[in-house]
Amino acid sequence: SYVVTQPPSESVAPGETARITCGGNFIGGKSVHWYQQKPGQAPELVMYDDSDRPSGVPDRFSGSNSGNTATLTISRVEAGDEADYYCQVWDSTRDQVVFGGGTKLTVL
Amino acid sequence: QVQLVQSGAEVKKPGSSVKVSCKASGGTFGNYAINWVRQAPGQGLEWMGGIIPIFGTASNGQKFSDSFKGRVTITADESLTTAYMEVNSLRSEDTAIYYCARGIFLSSGWGRFDSWGRGTLVTVSS
Repeated sequence: SYVVTQPPSESVAPGETARITCGGNFIGGKSVHWYQQKPGQAPELVMYDDSDRPSGVPDRFSGSNSGNTATLTISRVEAGDEADYYCQVWDSTRDQVVFGGGTKLTVL
Repeated sequence: QVQLVQSGAEVKKPGSSVKVSCKASGGTFGNYAINWVRQAPGQGLEWMGGIIPIFGTASNGQKFSDSFKGRVTITADESLTTAYMEVNSLRSEDTAIYYCARGIFLSSGWGRFDSWGRGTLVTVSS
């Protein structure tokens, strides 16, 4: 089955840029979606199809996807961005949705 | 914007079954994929499977994770705009929050989940 790998944690100071990666074999050929989950809440879509932002998501959030790595970039990080972030792809070989293991973003 | 309202928390014995519902209101239901995702305590998101209500249990109307095939049943009632997920043969490891989420589907596969329910806590304990 297709495996996507995320670093368990990332830390960033307020105002700096956070980059959260999602690795997978030729993931650049897939559409990658990203979710933000704050404690006690349901996940929320923050990026889809690699680099499209849903309505209401600040333009500080951006995405890219090439080769074996997709990246969610959060510019000018704020305390409210502290959350778990998950990437998601479709495994066309097995007809299944696959989530990465999640990255806990800590704002120092 | 669609809202997904899930049924309430459940406490079940090992070996029993649980059925969780997810009612959609305020948006389109039938021609999206309703997915089920679970999250064990302190763990990540795990996709279980989903259904496209307009296709129902017909070919390509349902998809399942290998981890749950044969143990999970997913159905939908278009007239009630409600989807259901039933897990059989519960064990303690099934203790988790179960989310429903509306997703798009394309010829190339199932895509993003744009709306989520608030989750249903299922506790499996003797």
